[in-house]
Amino acid sequence: GESVGLHLPTLSVQEGDNSIINCAYSNSASDYFIWYKQESGKGPQFIIDIRSNMDKRQGQRVTVLLNKTVKHLSLQIAATQPGDSAVYFCAETGNQGGKLIFGQGTELSVKP
Amino acid sequence: DAGVIQSPRHEVTEMGQEVTLRCKPISGHDYLFWYRQTMMRGLELLIYFNNNVPIDDSGMPEDRFSAKMPNASFSTLKIQPSEPRDSAVYFCASGNGLEYEQYFGPGTRLTVT
Repeated sequence: GESVGLHLPTLSVQEGDNSIINCAYSNSASDYFIWYKQESGKGPQFIIDIRSNMDKRQGQRVTVLLNKTVKHLSLQIAATQPGDSAVYFCAETGNQGGKLIFGQGTELSVKP
Repeated sequence: DAGVIQSPRHEVTEMGQEVTLRCKPISGHDYLFWYRQTMMRGLELLIYFNNNVPIDDSGMPEDRFSAKMPNASFSTLKIQPSEPRDSAVYFCASGNGLEYEQYFGPGTRLTVT
């Protein structure tokens, strides 16, 4: 029979536009959050992180926003480029030290 | 720094055969993680080590899977006997206990026929 895979949320944007990728995390005890980017055929790569005592952090072309009230994390990418096309994962620490809990991922597709 | 090194990059084997995946973490990192990624289940943590000691192996699917870390610079993930449903990309990641960031290797794509 036909296999059913994960239906990753997909975001399609035009080159040059801003992208917003959202993530709902599960554990209110999580004190650290990370966004990872995974390009086809490669392992996940660190993009940006944020601690729970912050609500916003900016990097180069990327901004992460944290809303602890509703347990929501977002990644904003400014002036999206074709090289930004990838699957983006959010990760949280949960309440067990040492490991990260990964979300299912969002696929970003950038149209030239 | 060469980053996390995994070998082999690709492995094709027949059902019932033993498979050994290898990982060299980044020097100085005291955490090592093994993940499996499939379309069906996404990215799953199988097991992780701290200072060469297994801390949490609750993600290991069954007794056919085993992992070792004999020293700070080497770890193996073994599947014996392998089954077609083990086909996946297996990632190794390492981290510094002072930070939560994990650095991933390029992965091993395993195909069991």
